[in-house]
Amino acid sequence: DIQMTQSPSSLSASVGDRVTITCRASQSIGRYLNWYQQKPGKAPKFLIYAASSLQSGFPSRFSGTGSGTEFTLTISSLQPEDFATYYCQQTSSTPPTFGQGTKVEIK
Amino acid sequence: EVELLESGGGLVQPGGSLRLSCAASGFTFSNYVMNWVRQAPGKGLEWVSGISGSGDRTNYVDSVEGRFTISRDNSKNTLFVQMNSLRVGDTAVYYCARGYCGAGRCYWYYFDSWGQGTLVTVSP
Repeated sequence: DIQMTQSPSSLSASVGDRVTITCRASQSIGRYLNWYQQKPGKAPKFLIYAASSLQSGFPSRFSGTGSGTEFTLTISSLQPEDFATYYCQQTSSTPPTFGQGTKVEIK
Repeated sequence: EVELLESGGGLVQPGGSLRLSCAASGFTFSNYVMNWVRQAPGKGLEWVSGISGSGDRTNYVDSVEGRFTISRDNSKNTLFVQMNSLRVGDTAVYYCARGYCGAGRCYWYYFDSWGQGTLVTVSP
């Protein structure tokens, strides 16, 4: 199975900060990388697919880049509603696997 | 509006069985791959199983292969998972999740809609 590793596991940031989360795959996955946002007690939401395509309903301050084994999720100006846990997921091979999550907390 | 509503969770002893259901509405159910994804308390996400729109193809994570069976009833817009020989490690919130379709393609593992989840607790 392909292992996905996110860094950091958690971070504290202030409203307006630029936030970057990194996701690394144990082998090349092309651009088969998705991102999800999960708030406490809620189901995850589909945020970005194919490494950089923003799902409808999310603002343009969210962006994704990368290919191969290294990917990033960037929030250009953190807003109060963005405090959540973010997961990357590879879909290059079965089983699809997730990173361990990055919790974005208020500083 | 897409809605997915899971049911059937509860407390079961190790070795026991449980059947989860996911009632779907707001879209043409038979056109979409459906999946089960679970999340142990305080932990991350783990894909469990997926099934094609027609129900003729299924996939499982190794840890549940041979114990869980995914199925669907397209006439009732409902997804199921039969879980047998349950273990303490199967304790989790189980979500049903739809596979995304866009730009003329459908993807098994792009989970674009999720239910609210149902909690399965396996404990002596």
